Amino acid sequence: EADIYQTPRYLVIGTGKKITLECSQTMGHDKMYWYQQDPGMELHLIHYSYGVNSTEKGDLSSESTVSRIRTEHFPLTLESARPSHTSQYLCASTQGGGNEKLFFGSGTQLSVL
Amino acid sequence: DAKTTQPTSMDCAEGRAANLPCNHSTISGNEYVYWYRQIHSQGPQYIIHGLKNNETNEMASLIITEDRKSSTLILPHATLRDTAVYYCIVNNYGQNFVFGPGTRLSVLP
Repeated sequence: EADIYQTPRYLVIGTGKKITLECSQTMGHDKMYWYQQDPGMELHLIHYSYGVNSTEKGDLSSESTVSRIRTEHFPLTLESARPSHTSQYLCASTQGGGNEKLFFGSGTQLSVL
Repeated sequence: DAKTTQPTSMDCAEGRAANLPCNHSTISGNEYVYWYRQIHSQGPQYIIHGLKNNETNEMASLIITEDRKSSTLILPHATLRDTAVYYCIVNNYGQNFVFGPGTRLSVLP
C-alpha cells in the first residue's frame, strides 16, 4: 500500500563523512517528515516539510539538514557524521488536508564508526 | 509532548482478543484518535482512526468512550505476528504526529 522508499536500508560509515539519506514517495503527498529512533526508544520528529521549498525543524534538535526541491523527494544530509548520529532514520508522508494518515518508509539504520 | 497515556506492556494469548487501552483526557473536540503499530524496527504502520464513533476495519476495531477521554483498540484474534509496539496518538488537521512510548504487546503461543 505504501509507496514511500528509503535508501540505503543500512549504512555503516566513518566519522567525518558526508552522507545523504534518500526518501521518495510516489503518492503526490505534500507533507513529508523525518523521524529519528534509537533502539527501543520513542520516535522523535527532526524535520518536516509541507511542500516544495518548505522545510522546518522538528521537536528534537538535529545537526542534519533537509531539502524539498521536488514534491516526491525529501533527502536528509549530515555534513560530517559522528558516532552520536548512529540511529534509525524514518521517513514518512501524508496527504494532509484533513486526511492525516501517515505512511512510513522502511527506515535507514545508520552506524557511524 | 504526547497527549496520551498507555500501559507500557501487555501480554495476550494467541487466538484471543487483545484490548489495548489509551487515555486522552485532554483531547479537544476536533482531534482524532489514531492508532499505529511498529513491528520490530520497521516503520510504523497505520491501523485505524476515529473521531467519536466506533470504527472497524480489516485489522482492528476502535472503541471511543462517549466523553472521548479514552479509547480501546481491539485486535479480535491476535496472532504471533501482531507482536509489536502500539501507539495511540491524538491529532488534528495541520498538527504533526507526536509518538509516545506506546504499549509493547506480546502475543504468546
